[in-house]
Amino acid sequence: NAGVTQTPKFQVLKTGQSMTLQCAQDMNHEYMSWYRQDPGMGLRLIHYSVGAGITDQGEVPNGYNVSRSTTEDFPLRLLSAAPSQTSVYFCASSSAVGLPENEQFFGPGTRLTVL
Amino acid sequence: DQQVKQNSPSLSVQEGRISILNCDYTNSMFDYFLWYKKYPAEGPTFLISISSIKDKNEDGRFTVFLNKSAKHLSLHIVPSQPGDSAVYFCAADSGTYKYIFGTGTRLKVLA
Repeated sequence: NAGVTQTPKFQVLKTGQSMTLQCAQDMNHEYMSWYRQDPGMGLRLIHYSVGAGITDQGEVPNGYNVSRSTTEDFPLRLLSAAPSQTSVYFCASSSAVGLPENEQFFGPGTRLTVL
Repeated sequence: DQQVKQNSPSLSVQEGRISILNCDYTNSMFDYFLWYKKYPAEGPTFLISISSIKDKNEDGRFTVFLNKSAKHLSLHIVPSQPGDSAVYFCAADSGTYKYIFGTGTRLKVLA
């Protein structure tokens, strides 16, 4: 049982490049989410999904796209990277649908630098 | 506009004593509150949660208290251990699954 996995662990991009951060979970969780963590800002929700085919915006969605074609995978796409997107990105999954107080399981994070 | 606030950036406590971490919120629609712990270079891990129908929830050394009228919750750790040294985040949700996190409190437990 691998839990939540994220790839890559580190990434450096140039301004304007695009890339996809991968996230997968093997716990059959309906809920998945993406957060970014910046110094002094805590974690901020980018996008989330309550099931395959269903996604919605979080607090800071601009510049990011998501899709959820399977229960297991929830990739995050940066369309045209900007220095303001330099951050640590965390993916999480949960059985929270219907039970919002349920815990989210977080992946180890992807550290992204945009030059 | 910070809807979830952790006003103490850091806290130091002696081993064996009680650690009290505080969290305030402004949105009266929040019904679910969760605490997470985070070590450097790792993802957050869940500690404990509470829904607004309760005012206290306990799990081992961890107890969360919720005061809805004051829009305030606190996490008590008793007794504190050096392994508890980490950054603690509170998070809130109104049932929409759009969790809002506070900025975190760094706890240092001194041996």
